[in-house]
Amino acid sequence: AQSVTQLGSHVSVSEGALVLLRCNYSSSVPPYLFWYVQYPNQGLQLLLKYTSAATLVKGINGFEAEFKKSETSFHLTKPSAHMSDAAEYFCAVSDHLNNDMRFGAGTRLTVKP
Amino acid sequence: GAGVSQTPSNKVTEKGKYVELRCDPISGHTALYWYRQSLGQGPEFLIYFQGTGAADDSGLPNDRFFAVRPEGSVSTLKIQRTERGDSAVYLCASSLMGTAGTGLVEQYFGPGTRLTVT
Repeated sequence: AQSVTQLGSHVSVSEGALVLLRCNYSSSVPPYLFWYVQYPNQGLQLLLKYTSAATLVKGINGFEAEFKKSETSFHLTKPSAHMSDAAEYFCAVSDHLNNDMRFGAGTRLTVKP
Repeated sequence: GAGVSQTPSNKVTEKGKYVELRCDPISGHTALYWYRQSLGQGPEFLIYFQGTGAADDSGLPNDRFFAVRPEGSVSTLKIQRTERGDSAVYLCASSLMGTAGTGLVEQYFGPGTRLTVT
């Protein structure tokens, strides 16, 4: 069965600092991997996705993630945090056999001025 | 509409009651998904529609939960004999087409319905 684990339910960074949100996956077949962001009282918004093309994926708002098969990881990074990045971030996994996505428990990002 | 809409935004009901949650997908999207998000957790898949038919209902927790999409657009999630454990945010998503392998198309999520069972 597929699953993802997000390390750290809460991450706090200073404005301008590097953002690193960790995600490790488990899948018996080649995975599709996603990062979603959820702002308060809003729906989930896709940041980026990996679907077996380039391992370094660039998304919206300056975020990127790198698929590392050897580490079963898909960590999300952003070089310089903005106040507007404060939100809940979810990693998710799917594959070519299934219609459902499996989400991690989420990481709440706080950005300090 | 511009995005996926869900009504009501909040629903409070008493244990044992019946509730219906509505989802209006993006116009033209043939695939529709329901997820449940409990406090402190990520969304959990419930059911997937391709057109009018439920192509995958493997995530429905038990037979108290049922969903329909009679005309291939609006969907209703129905919960009978609600229990306190059903309290959660119910999310709906739609995509242009559904296929095994949801990585092929983006799912667009609505803001959710927060259900509280007292």
